[in-house]
Amino acid sequence: EAGVTQSPTHLIKTRGQQATLRCSPISGHTSVYWYQQALGLGLQFLLWYDEGEERNRGNFPPRFSGRQFPNYSSELNVNALELEDSALYLCASSLGGLAGSNEQFFGPGTRLTVL
Amino acid sequence: RKEVEQDPGPFNVPEGATVAFNCTYSNSASQSFFWYRQDCRKEPKLLMSVYSSGNEDGRFTAQLNRASQYISLLIRDSKLSDSATYLCAVKRASNTGKLIFGQGTTLQVKP
Repeated sequence: EAGVTQSPTHLIKTRGQQATLRCSPISGHTSVYWYQQALGLGLQFLLWYDEGEERNRGNFPPRFSGRQFPNYSSELNVNALELEDSALYLCASSLGGLAGSNEQFFGPGTRLTVL
Repeated sequence: RKEVEQDPGPFNVPEGATVAFNCTYSNSASQSFFWYRQDCRKEPKLLMSVYSSGNEDGRFTAQLNRASQYISLLIRDSKLSDSATYLCAVKRASNTGKLIFGQGTTLQVKP
């Protein structure tokens, strides 16, 4: 069974540009989560989508946004890129619904470098 | 104080050793608990969920102590391939979807 997939693997942008990152969840999973892992900062929760709706967002500015498509894939957009946005962006998926114990499975990530 | 804390290590142990990691959490309403393994520059991989009764998967045993608000991971008979960073993750009782991660504990198993 295919796991979570993300594209692109690497992305290089300059300050002020926009970045779009993509994620396809495990088949049968309807919840998608985005996390940022910056060097030395650990994994930080960004966004949660379930059934096409944004259910929760972490403590990030509004220039971080996203959406979930009818096929449950998701896109993360980062506008007006700043140097400190350089990080590994990880997408995870889980079975949907509001069950707190749903296990989250991560994709390989997109490494974003902002120059 | 961070909501989820781990000793960053590194823990350097010989092959065959038993090693234990603890992870403390500050929010008593936390509901779900997990251990992940992360290799250098790779994604976290779910190792195991942690249940109140404790659970075991081969050489790995996880336990939850709600009274003292910590979870533990015990690795028996360490292998070279166990070298990695081990992350604990906690989800609060209110359904946020959000996993709160510790900073990770680095394990280096040496021959």
